[in-house]
Amino acid sequence: NAGVMQNPRHLVRRRGQEARLRCSPMKGHSHVYWYRQLPEEGLKFMVYLQKENIIDESGMPKERFSAEFPKEGPSILRIQQVVRGDSAAYFCASSPLIQETQYFGPGTRLLVL
Amino acid sequence: AQKVTQAQTEISVVEKEDVTLDCVYETRDTTYYLFWYKQPPSGELVFLIRRNSFDEQNEISGRYSWNFQKSTSSFNFTITASQVVDSAVYFCALSEAQSNYGQNFVFGPGTRLSVLP
Repeated sequence: NAGVMQNPRHLVRRRGQEARLRCSPMKGHSHVYWYRQLPEEGLKFMVYLQKENIIDESGMPKERFSAEFPKEGPSILRIQQVVRGDSAAYFCASSPLIQETQYFGPGTRLLVL
Repeated sequence: AQKVTQAQTEISVVEKEDVTLDCVYETRDTTYYLFWYKQPPSGELVFLIRRNSFDEQNEISGRYSWNFQKSTSSFNFTITASQVVDSAVYFCALSEAQSNYGQNFVFGPGTRLSVLP
């Protein structure tokens, strides 16, 4: 059973460009979570999605950030017009049911030049 | 509001020593879950343990053990006979059982453990 997959593992963008981060949950998992980890810090919750629905986006900045989890395909975290402060590791996690353990992907390291 | 404190920012031990990583949490919920994750230098997050608030039994898994004490709101993690491969950042996390929104985790800031040969 493959784990949570994230790609790309590393992404470099110039200021003003768009970043698209993809996450494929573990097989059988319909709950997806995105977290951001700034250098030398812990993880901060961003958004929780189920298939085709955003359940809780309380941790996601209102501007420039969006997330989706379509019926088919991976979950996407999209950052428009990136700024240097967006440089961080973005982790995706999935769980089979509400309140089950979340299993994390390897993360995407975004560097904004 | 939920909060997790890991007061030890960095710990260094020599191989074969025992080490305890502290975790103190705050929550108003009576039903919640506590977790430990390991983040080795390669960067991924590895799940170690999940404990629900109704189960105060201590757990042992090989060289790892966990001490959950509701009276002090603590969920400490002990590594016995530490090894160099244990070097990593360890995160404690708390999740409240929210009936409407499932769960989101609140992570502590992490403790960086260095095990020296």
